Amino acid sequence: DTAVSQTPKYLVTQMGNDKSIKCEQNLGHDTMYWYKQDSKKFLKIMFSYNNKELIINETVPNRFSPKSPDKAHLNLHINSLELGDSAVYFCASSPGGSWSEQYFGPGTRLTVT
Amino acid sequence: GNSVTQMEGPVTLSEEAFLTINCTYTATGYPSLFWYVQYPGEGLQLLLKATKADDKGSNKGFEATYRKETTSFHLEKGSVQVSDSAVYFCALSRNSGGSNYKLTFGKGTLLTVNP
Repeated sequence: DTAVSQTPKYLVTQMGNDKSIKCEQNLGHDTMYWYKQDSKKFLKIMFSYNNKELIINETVPNRFSPKSPDKAHLNLHINSLELGDSAVYFCASSPGGSWSEQYFGPGTRLTVT
Repeated sequence: GNSVTQMEGPVTLSEEAFLTINCTYTATGYPSLFWYVQYPGEGLQLLLKATKADDKGSNKGFEATYRKETTSFHLEKGSVQVSDSAVYFCALSRNSGGSNYKLTFGKGTLLTVNP
């Protein structure tokens, strides 16, 4: 059983389009995250949800909108895609607490042309 | 704010060589410290962690000791294998408000081990 899954694995689209990435975790964790990894492998947190409530919202353009229909799912919708949005997006989940590890999904490679 | 600085890569070693990847951090209070590993084409997975000063985390032959006096958490392995080739990330976790915790990552170090 995959602990944290993401779909799709690859996403190629044109500038200006709107796309969504889905994430599901079957670990029973309360907290979920979205990260962006750029071409130099630098990882930056974008959002975090705890029990469907947004708790971390870093300085991300408002074209990015996370949605958590329940605590096992956290989706990321991106409007008006730009070239600079090309990256690998990782979903993660955690039971919470500073000592808790985060469990990462396999990533979604987004390419905007 | 919180930050993590780790040695720039890439690092290339021969099999059975000794590995050190340096990591230092800046944070208020007492963060938890982690090393994550990312194998090619995969997501990150926890390698080891330490939650208080002088703790040593260890896993798969890798070790790191939480040194508060030098704000460091260097990763070491006595004898690397080709299968250790990956990107290694040092990270810290601190409270970001209420009961919420945020991971801050270093920039990652690419390790290549040649046979």
